[in-house]
Amino acid sequence: DQQVKQNSPSLSVQEGRISILNCDYTNSMFDYFLWYKKYPAEGPTFLISISSIKDKNEDGRFTVFLNKSAKHLSLHIVPSQPGDSAVYFCAATVPNTGNQFYFGTGTSLTVIP
Amino acid sequence: DTGVSQDPRHKITKRGQNVTFRCDPISEHNRLYWYRQTLGQGPEFLTYFQNEAQLEKSRLLSDRFSAERPKGSFSTLEIQRTEQGDSAMYLCASSLTDHYGYTFGSGTRLTVV
Repeated sequence: DQQVKQNSPSLSVQEGRISILNCDYTNSMFDYFLWYKKYPAEGPTFLISISSIKDKNEDGRFTVFLNKSAKHLSLHIVPSQPGDSAVYFCAATVPNTGNQFYFGTGTSLTVIP
Repeated sequence: DTGVSQDPRHKITKRGQNVTFRCDPISEHNRLYWYRQTLGQGPEFLTYFQNEAQLEKSRLLSDRFSAERPKGSFSTLEIQRTEQGDSAMYLCASSLTDHYGYTFGSGTRLTVV
């Protein structure tokens, strides 16, 4: 049962434009959401997070938006750079579970120079 | 600090053999997590430790899987009587208590032939 879904396996964007990566979830108990970035042959690296009490969190070029009613979150990267080319995973956790995360299947972003 | 280290990076084993993987977390991190990632999927939670205590193990995939973290430092994940379906990337991560963003290691890729 996939509780976190990333329905776009891949995305290509021109350098300098906006990249929008989407994620949907089914469990209304999720209270914290993260995005991870993964390069080949490396483990995922933490990128940005958002609590369910917020609808937006920004960190430099990265902004995460949360729409609880739609059970949807998105990651915006502006402007996109070639070094952003990687696989992006969204993940979510339920409170009081020791931060066990449920991950989506990932979206492979390619930023074209 | 060199981050989270996992050993070996690659392991090829014959079906029915036992394998053990090691994870060395960031030294001050008291939480340690194990995840499994199969091709085309996101990481899947297996188990976690708070110091030396294993606080969740119900999501280990079968009773062939076990993990330890003696003295709250490094951890080992053992798979007994390996099956071809166990072929995957096994990821270890660590964090401070109640810090949502993990630091992942680069993983151990297991191939069962």
